[in-house]
Amino acid sequence: DAGVIQSPRHEVTEMGQEVTLRCKPISGHNSLFWYRQTMMRGLELLIYFNNNVPIDDSGMPEDRFSAKMPNASFSTLKIQPSEPRDSAVYFCASSPGLAGASDTQYFGPGTRLTVL
Amino acid sequence: AQSVTQPDIHITVSEGASLELRCNYSYGATPYLFWYVQSPGQGLQLLLKYFSGDTLVQGIKGFEAEFKRSQSSFNLRKPSVHWSDAAEYFCAVGENQAGTALIFGKGTTLSVSS
Repeated sequence: DAGVIQSPRHEVTEMGQEVTLRCKPISGHNSLFWYRQTMMRGLELLIYFNNNVPIDDSGMPEDRFSAKMPNASFSTLKIQPSEPRDSAVYFCASSPGLAGASDTQYFGPGTRLTVL
Repeated sequence: AQSVTQPDIHITVSEGASLELRCNYSYGATPYLFWYVQSPGQGLQLLLKYFSGDTLVQGIKGFEAEFKRSQSSFNLRKPSVHWSDAAEYFCAVGENQAGTALIFGKGTTLSVSS
């Protein structure tokens, strides 16, 4: 299995531009998570999906952030417009089931976003 | 509300020495507890997890952790640290209910000196 795939691995953009991060979960997994990691705030859960349906998006910082999961094998996290404070590493993770913490989460390698 | 505290931000251990990373949690019932490791430039990888039963849990790479309900702790240990263990370690807590997610601690960075 290829594991969780994220693209791009690195993204450098200018303030005000739209940024789209992509994630392909492990095949057969039913839950998908988006996290943001910064030195100041550590690892933060942004949003997660069960069976492609958003369950909790309370971690999404503001309306500039949106996430979609159009099918079981693909998800996007979009920032529009981007700001320098959005600079962080964004991780996608997937887990096999729906039963909360009993499932191991498998993390992708992350996307390092730099907004100038 | 659930919470996880990792009191040590950074720890340095000599290669070959023993290691203990601390984790304290706040949760009403018996929690599900995890330790993840993140190597530089990589995503998080599960080291071990505790759901129930034996309170001493064995994981990958020679790590173990002990659940102590009376102390609300789930400390990670390794008897002899290798230079390749230098990484960031995260403790996490969750509950086994659909529609819930893990709560991660802030992490502890481990440096290994020769």
